[in-house]
Amino acid sequence: DAGVIQSPRHEVTEMGQEVTLRCKPISGHNSLFWYRQTMMRGLELLIYFNNNVPIDDSGMPEDRFSAKMPNASFSTLKIQPSEPRDSAVYFCASSLAHRQAYSNQPQHFGDGTRLSIL
Amino acid sequence: GIQVEQSPPDLILQEGANSTLRCNFSDSVNNLQWFHQNPWGQLINLFYIPSGTKQNGRLSATTVATERYSLLYISSSQTTDSGVYFCAVERSSSNTGKLIFGQGTTLQVKP
Repeated sequence: DAGVIQSPRHEVTEMGQEVTLRCKPISGHNSLFWYRQTMMRGLELLIYFNNNVPIDDSGMPEDRFSAKMPNASFSTLKIQPSEPRDSAVYFCASSLAHRQAYSNQPQHFGDGTRLSIL
Repeated sequence: GIQVEQSPPDLILQEGANSTLRCNFSDSVNNLQWFHQNPWGQLINLFYIPSGTKQNGRLSATTVATERYSLLYISSSQTTDSGVYFCAVERSSSNTGKLIFGQGTTLQVKP
């Protein structure tokens, strides 16, 4: 079975440019999560979706960050304009959540996108 | 929010040695996962273990939910076990799927 697929694996761009990260969750999973990993803050949840609907975006750093999930098999995380402090590894994860509860199921992670903003 | 503390922060082992990693959490949980982040940065699922004991080859894990801790055992360690081990939990009252990660244990296994 294919796991969570993220693209690109690496992205290097200049400050001020728009960055779009992509994620394809595991087929049949109905919850999708975006995480960011930095040395200073470790792994932190940015936003998550259930059945394509954003449930909690309280972890999104600021208005420059936005995320969408137009269908069950695709999500994007966009940064516009990008800044050097956005440099990090961004992970996407998915899980199968029960109707009555979003939890109690393991999350499976993609390989991440290593983002460098110069 | 819930606190997740992992110990030790760093660990160096000789190949073949055994080790125990610990994860303490400050509230009741309904989801607990152990991950291994390998040197290439990939996060690999090891165990989904909100309670009880599981084993997978040389690795096993035990979660005592009532006492709010989980242990990851690595036996006969190999150099490929090197990397960072993360514990992540979801608070029972959350019911959202939101995982909170500990800061990790960095393991180095020397040949």
